[in-house]
Amino acid sequence: AQSVSQHNHHVILSEAASLELGCNYSYGGTVNLFWYVQYPGQHLQLLLKYFSGDPLVKGIKGFEAEFIKSKFSFNLRKPSVQWSDTAEYFCAVIGTDKLIFGTGTRLQVFP
Amino acid sequence: NAGVTQTPKFQVLKTGQSMTLQCAQDMNHNSMYWYRQDPGMGLRLIYYSASEGTTDKGEVPNGYNVSRLNKREFSLRLESAAPSQTSVYFCASSNIAGVPYEQYFGPGTRLTVT
Repeated sequence: AQSVSQHNHHVILSEAASLELGCNYSYGGTVNLFWYVQYPGQHLQLLLKYFSGDPLVKGIKGFEAEFIKSKFSFNLRKPSVQWSDTAEYFCAVIGTDKLIFGTGTRLQVFP
Repeated sequence: NAGVTQTPKFQVLKTGQSMTLQCAQDMNHNSMYWYRQDPGMGLRLIYYSASEGTTDKGEVPNGYNVSRLNKREFSLRLESAAPSQTSVYFCASSNIAGVPYEQYFGPGTRLTVT
């Protein structure tokens, strides 16, 4: 069965620090991958998605992710975080007929 | 467009009580989903409806029932609430029948069962 792992459960950074959140998936076929963000008290919103083509995907708010097929990874990056990036981040992969979410990474950014 | 709407936003139930969570979308999406979100467990799929007239179990369906009332509406029912069902419930929809591409989420319902 397909699965998604997010090994960083809680990340604490200062503003302007660089961010990389790990995401690994288990599905060996064609994959479609997503990163969602959930700001405190809000619902999930799509940050970026990968279906095919350029493995470096640009999303909203300066986020990007790189699909590395050989490593089964789709890590999320941002060169310089802001306090407003404090949120929970979820990686997801399309399974047979539904999205499979990772357990999430809580990011706290301090001024 | 309101997107995906959910009612109620908050609810407190006693063990054994029943209730229905309502979800509606105005984006003409074919597929709709119910998730629950618990600390440290991410989002887990309860039930989904790939298209109007169909429903399927997700990862954690026990204790829940669903109804796809029409293309817009997808309700989740708890027949006899249990404390283990204390959670935040999210409804979502997507625009390709049977293929869960980008999903749009509602604001959530925070349910407490005492």
